[in-house]
Amino acid sequence: NAGVTQTPKFQVLKTGQSMTLQCAQDMNHEYMSWYRQDPGMGLRLIHYSVGAGITDQGEVPNGYNVSRSTTEDFPLRLLSAAPSQTSVYFCASSYRGLSGNTIYFGEGSWLTVV
Amino acid sequence: GQNIDQPTEMTATEGAIVQINCTYQTSGFNGLFWYQQHAGEAPTFLSYNVLDGLEEKGRFSSFLSRSKGYSYLLLKELQMKDSASYLCAVSVENNAGNMLTFGGGTRLMVKP
Repeated sequence: NAGVTQTPKFQVLKTGQSMTLQCAQDMNHEYMSWYRQDPGMGLRLIHYSVGAGITDQGEVPNGYNVSRSTTEDFPLRLLSAAPSQTSVYFCASSYRGLSGNTIYFGEGSWLTVV
Repeated sequence: GQNIDQPTEMTATEGAIVQINCTYQTSGFNGLFWYQQHAGEAPTFLSYNVLDGLEEKGRFSSFLSRSKGYSYLLLKELQMKDSASYLCAVSVENNAGNMLTFGGGTRLMVKP
């Protein structure tokens, strides 16, 4: 059982470039979300989705796009990378009713924008 | 919005007990999580409280008081491997379902 798979694990971008962070889960979870974590800080919600075809903004959505065409996949797109987007990105998935140990995190993607 | 506060750093001695506090202000409260995160790794689940009281799980316990907007994580018999960041996260219910909001994390250093 793969759980939540994120790719790539490490990426260096130049300012202005675009890229997509991939996230896939094989647990048939309705709920998927993207967080960013800056040094010494907690996780901040970027975008989330409660099911295929449904997405919404979190706390820090600017500069990012998402789509949810299938239950399994929830890619995060950086449209025009900026140094302020240098961060660690975590994808997470869960069943819609959050309780107990039902939130699964990917291993993280380290992104540096130069 | 939600406001979650926890100390930035704490230091404790191996074998001792440490309590990490978390206070929150939120509407639609639907539970509180504690996660452990080692440097360079994803958060891992420690505990979940939705009702008032103490939940004990081995060396780790978590307490919740919903009326006070307060929780703590208690770590007993500290080991060097407990050096990590501890994240308090609140689940709130909105039209989209349940949302998870994290505090800034408490970096715990365990010294010999």
